[in-house]
Amino acid sequence: EVQLVESGGGLVQPGGSLRLSCAASGFTFSRYWMNWVRQAPGKGPVWVSRINSDGSDITYADSVRGRFTISRDNAKNTLYLQMNSLRAEDTAVYYCARWPDHVGGAEYFQHWGQGTLVTVSS
Amino acid sequence: DIVMTQSPDSLAVSLGERATINCKSSQSVLYSSNNKNYLAWYQQKPGQPPKLLINWASTRESVVPDRFVGSGSGTEFTLTISSLQAEDVALYYCQQYYGTPYTFGQGTKLEIK
Repeated sequence: EVQLVESGGGLVQPGGSLRLSCAASGFTFSRYWMNWVRQAPGKGPVWVSRINSDGSDITYADSVRGRFTISRDNAKNTLYLQMNSLRAEDTAVYYCARWPDHVGGAEYFQHWGQGTLVTVSS
Repeated sequence: DIVMTQSPDSLAVSLGERATINCKSSQSVLYSSNNKNYLAWYQQKPGQPPKLLINWASTRESVVPDRFVGSGSGTEFTLTISSLQAEDVALYYCQQYYGTPYTFGQGTKLEIK
């Protein structure tokens, strides 16, 4: 069974930093692209970033490019999101999510973690 | 970016009746080379992550009841719940995966009348 467990969320001041982690199990993590998707309170989901299986191909949403960095450690089966220069509008539940297949094309989110809440406030 | 617009924002339907949710994309999500629509539907209940219901606009996930039906092509799509059950009360989102940034609709809140 695919399991994705996020951690690292919390309360941070504007301008601060936070690193999120997503521990993956139940599948061969090193073969799959991975994504971060966030959802602000009362709003719809918003895709944040994706990374390919070996970390060589990365894409960001415009709203986070230059401030957030996605990475992965395949030896630890863990996905990361380093968030710098945080703003109030970054307040959201952050989910890691996986496509159904290890190749592109079917780029919908079949598997989701339970999410970790990031609150940016002074 | 492809903008996804859902209608209505909220919907109240009697148990056993049909619920229809619409989703419109600002540009076509039909990929001509394979004739597939890059459109998914999700259901989200409070405190839970979104749950994938339908992909390729009309392919139901294996665990999803057959009362959930996706249809449409190009820029206009519909999610129909043929006979509303109490457990269908939720938020519903469409999402395009034609290209990055992947984008979601604003959501439709489905309630019991």
